Amino acid sequence: GAGVSQSPSNKVTEKGKDVELRCDPISGHTALYWYRQSLGQGLEFLIYFQGNSAPDKSGLPSDRFSAERTGGSVSTLTIQRTQQEDSAVYLCASSLVPGAGYTFGSGTRLTVV
Amino acid sequence: AQSVTQLGSHVSVSEGALVLLRCNYSSSVPPYLFWYVQYPNQGLQLLLKYTSAATLVKGINGFEAEFKKSETSFHLTKPSAHMSDAAEYFCAVSPANTGNQFYFGTGTSLTVIP
Repeated sequence: GAGVSQSPSNKVTEKGKDVELRCDPISGHTALYWYRQSLGQGLEFLIYFQGNSAPDKSGLPSDRFSAERTGGSVSTLTIQRTQQEDSAVYLCASSLVPGAGYTFGSGTRLTVV
Repeated sequence: AQSVTQLGSHVSVSEGALVLLRCNYSSSVPPYLFWYVQYPNQGLQLLLKYTSAATLVKGINGFEAEFKKSETSFHLTKPSAHMSDAAEYFCAVSPANTGNQFYFGTGTSLTVIP
């Protein structure tokens, strides 16, 4: 597609439920990143995929968070047993090559009530 | 290790005045440096980037930034602020030898006063 597409744009969920956030990167972009932006804070790195290499999961805050990238394209970020502190905007970005500068999606605003 | 410090979480300027948003970085290797802008309820958009070519980088919407190695700075400037410049601005650093991950500053919210 022309840009990075994220869905849903907004998600309200009850504490303890699982959620899945989807990212569809720009076609041909080999690098895909997930970031979290909490209210009043900067961007927190979560996970990075590059081609067929093992993902860099060093930013995932707990084992409730996981992500996969199927076929080197679409990525899904899953949060299990959501907590209120998970409420944030989750941003996905893709890049043609690492370090070339990201193109960001519009994000998914997650609210855990 | 890489990190970015943005001085001033909030900056206000009058319309037509100079915009100066500060960014200092630390990097153990030659860095790539970026400025991103985030308009309300939107994703981040790349304004400009430095990747070891010219030290003065021109970006979109009249913004520019100068890489100063001696000061480890990459401040963002615009000669004349416009109302439409009101947004959140993020500076980011990436190690040039890998580019695996960007390290973002905490952002500066720019308000333009009419």
